[in-house]
Amino acid sequence: DGGITQSPKYLFRKEGQNVTLSCEQNLNHDAMYWYRQDPGQGLRLIYYSQIVNDFQKGDIAEGYSVSREKKESFPLTVTSAQKNPTAFYLCASSSTGGDGYTFGSGTRLTVV
Amino acid sequence: AQSVTQLGSHVSVSEGALVLLRCNYSSSVPPYLFWYVQYPNQGLQLLLKYTSAATLVKGINGFEAEFKKSETSFHLTKPSAHMSDAAEYFCAVSDWDTGRRALTFGSGTRLQVQP
Repeated sequence: DGGITQSPKYLFRKEGQNVTLSCEQNLNHDAMYWYRQDPGQGLRLIYYSQIVNDFQKGDIAEGYSVSREKKESFPLTVTSAQKNPTAFYLCASSSTGGDGYTFGSGTRLTVV
Repeated sequence: AQSVTQLGSHVSVSEGALVLLRCNYSSSVPPYLFWYVQYPNQGLQLLLKYTSAATLVKGINGFEAEFKKSETSFHLTKPSAHMSDAAEYFCAVSDWDTGRRALTFGSGTRLQVQP
């Protein structure tokens, strides 16, 4: 079955370390997205990519970086510059036209 | 920029009662509108979507929503709540045609269902 796989489900890192969250899709979607979820704040857009080798900053890109070298993959790196990285991170993809978005099951990152 | 407002961060209903979750959006053109449900520590599951076809949209699990352009609203309803409906619900808008091709979310409404 087609879908989006995020790994790992839970991730613990020490303060000051970079960490990379994986997102892979086999839906043949061109567009992919990263969202951050904090309690009471809904989902906020970090980065998005409409096509391979191109990506755009979202609303809260500071302290994060991404790459889009393959259509299927859109990894997110949380850098040491991100001041409060503990959150639930969701990856999504969409078909051309914008009427269908599929979400992964999320990665919960805890920085200790 | 698009924005979505969900009135009421917490809604509590009795089992069997009507569920009404409110969503208003800001847009100068009719956008695509979505309702998602999220269970604890899980991703988002699509309940229903409006893509400029019928204004009354039926979704999964007995939910439906009505697009009202004059009120810029897309409220979610279910005639009879079930215990399994307890979750967090998010309204979202996609302004695909205007360039930013990503979903903008409301802050969410947590639905509690009392026995």
